[in-house]
Amino acid sequence: NAGVTQTPKFQVLKTGQSMTLQCAQDMNHNSMYWYRQDPGMGLRLIYYSASEGTTDKGEVPNGYNVSRLNKREFSLRLESAAPSQTSVYFCASSEGGPLTYEQYFGPGTRLTVT
Amino acid sequence: KNQVEQSPQSLIILEGKNCTLQCNYTVSPFSNLRWYKQDTGRGPVSLTIMTFSENTKSNGRYTATLDADTKQSSLHITASQLSDSASYICVVSDPTQAGTALIFGKGTTLSVSS
Repeated sequence: NAGVTQTPKFQVLKTGQSMTLQCAQDMNHNSMYWYRQDPGMGLRLIYYSASEGTTDKGEVPNGYNVSRLNKREFSLRLESAAPSQTSVYFCASSEGGPLTYEQYFGPGTRLTVT
Repeated sequence: KNQVEQSPQSLIILEGKNCTLQCNYTVSPFSNLRWYKQDTGRGPVSLTIMTFSENTKSNGRYTATLDADTKQSSLHITASQLSDSASYICVVSDPTQAGTALIFGKGTTLSVSS
């Protein structure tokens, strides 16, 4: 039982390049989330998926797109990376909505955009 | 705007000593309050979750308290160990929101030295 896995662990992009961050969970959770964590700031929600087939914007969605590929997988895409997107990205999952259910986080992807 | 403020920003203590971390919030109403531990280079891991009607909850050497009247919570760590060195994040849930319900504090960085 690996929990929440993320790939890649590290990535360096040039401004304007695109990439997709992958996330998978093996806990049969319904809800999945993408957060970013920046120095001196709390975790901020980018997008979430309450259940398979649905996605919604979070607090900071601009510059990102997501795909809930199936119940296990939730990917985050940067179409044209900008230096402001340099951050650590965390995927999380929960059995149900965030109000009631505990969120389990992946190990993170450290992204640098030059 | 709903906020979660943590203090101190950082703390250094000797191994074996106790310490208390503080969390003040303005979220109202709120459903529950959580404390997470985040080791360097890892994702956050849940320590405790308390509903508004609970005053205290323990998880081993970690004890969280909640005063919903004053909107304050604390995390007390007893007999600290080197492995307690981490960032501790306070998270408050806003029941008026859906997927964006969790509001994260910036964290307190604890360093335990021998």
